[in-house]
Amino acid sequence: DADVTQTPRNRITKTGKRIMLECSQTKGHDRMYWYRQDPGLGLRLIYYSFDVKDINKGEISDGYSVSRQAQAKFSLSLESAIPNQTALYFCATSDSLLQETQYFGPGTRLLVL
Amino acid sequence: DQQVKQNSPSLSVQEGRISILNCDYTNSMFDYFLWYKKYPAEGPTFLISISSIKDKNEDGRFTVFLNKSAKHLSLHIVPSQPGDSAVYFCAATMWGNEKLTFGTGTRLTIIP
Repeated sequence: DADVTQTPRNRITKTGKRIMLECSQTKGHDRMYWYRQDPGLGLRLIYYSFDVKDINKGEISDGYSVSRQAQAKFSLSLESAIPNQTALYFCATSDSLLQETQYFGPGTRLLVL
Repeated sequence: DQQVKQNSPSLSVQEGRISILNCDYTNSMFDYFLWYKKYPAEGPTFLISISSIKDKNEDGRFTVFLNKSAKHLSLHIVPSQPGDSAVYFCAATMWGNEKLTFGTGTRLTIIP
């Protein structure tokens, strides 16, 4: 079984719709992250969380919100999706002792029409 | 402002030969560097890392070299195998900092 899972794996939605991407992990890590990948831009950090009560904005948080429901679950919401949020979204986790080494989920491919 | 750059979007190498992937950075505060490998439809997986107190780190067929004065690092894969065909991302951070800055990736294709 995968240590970091993401649902859904693929999603098509319309402009203005609210959408939630979910991430679960069984690694027991306290730190979780959301990234997006766009062609030619690499991975960019959206939000990250040290624990359930500690959530921080990354470099591109505008238009997104997150919720850390439990240590193992971290969800990303697009309150009102727009076409330039079409991207590949990755969740990642890390241990506080070796936080630089992050473990990624398989990704969610989102298309906003 | 791209602080971590991988200037070669793609690279093709014959099986058995050496693959060399390059990465440049501009932020002199970065002191810890990582390479991730990504297959299609999968998330990136950690490959190898290096701290700025070293100039080389080796793990099996993979070696990362760091040239701090040039702000340049490279990943050497030898010998290259077909399973090494993937996209490779370079990432940089400051030790103890959870935020990674990624390069744009290099697609490596190993030709049998």
